[in-house]
Amino acid sequence: GNSVTQMEGPVTLSEEAFLTINCTYTATGYPSLFWYVQYPGEGLQLLLKATKADDKGSNKGFEATYRKETTSFHLEKGSVQVSDSAVYFCALSETGTASKLTFGTGTRLQVTL
Amino acid sequence: GAVVSQHPSWVICKSGTSVKIECRSLDFQATTMFWYRQFPKQSLMLMATSNEGSKATYEQGVEKDKFLINHASLTLSTLTVTSAHPEDSSFYICSARQRAGADTQYFGPGTRLTVL
Repeated sequence: GNSVTQMEGPVTLSEEAFLTINCTYTATGYPSLFWYVQYPGEGLQLLLKATKADDKGSNKGFEATYRKETTSFHLEKGSVQVSDSAVYFCALSETGTASKLTFGTGTRLQVTL
Repeated sequence: GAVVSQHPSWVICKSGTSVKIECRSLDFQATTMFWYRQFPKQSLMLMATSNEGSKATYEQGVEKDKFLINHASLTLSTLTVTSAHPEDSSFYICSARQRAGADTQYFGPGTRLTVL
């Protein structure tokens, strides 16, 4: 079956530090890959996505590249801000599965001044 | 745009009672809504997929008679936890998809259920 593995948190960084949150996946077909973010007290929001190998998703300074050879979709940001503090979820959906999402366990990011 | 609301945001109930949670798409019509359950420090687990006007499709291991899902309109889906027990205590989250084939889901803020 499908699965998504994320690095365990929490991740604590100082403002303006470089962020990497690792995500690897297992899927039988050709999934679409997503990063969702959950700010405190709010629902999950789509941060970025990539639908095929070598695609790069980007939004709000965050980037992730769909690497089929390493089955990875690592999230990066060059300079984090306090407002980026949230829980980040990596997820996949496989073609033909009515877009059912399989989530990783989430990684909490805490950015301090 | 693409806002999904849930009501209530939290509920506490006695063991044996039933609890209904509503999920609404506020500014779009949702052909499909999904219900997830999230345990503390764990990922979201899909419980069921509901399409407007048809029966929900439940994931393996989810009791359909315990978790009743109704998707009566294109903007409303409800999840009823029947005869709730303490082990049903969890965070329930819904999401909505705007059209068939779309791969983006819009999530509600979740409902915290505590069964005493």
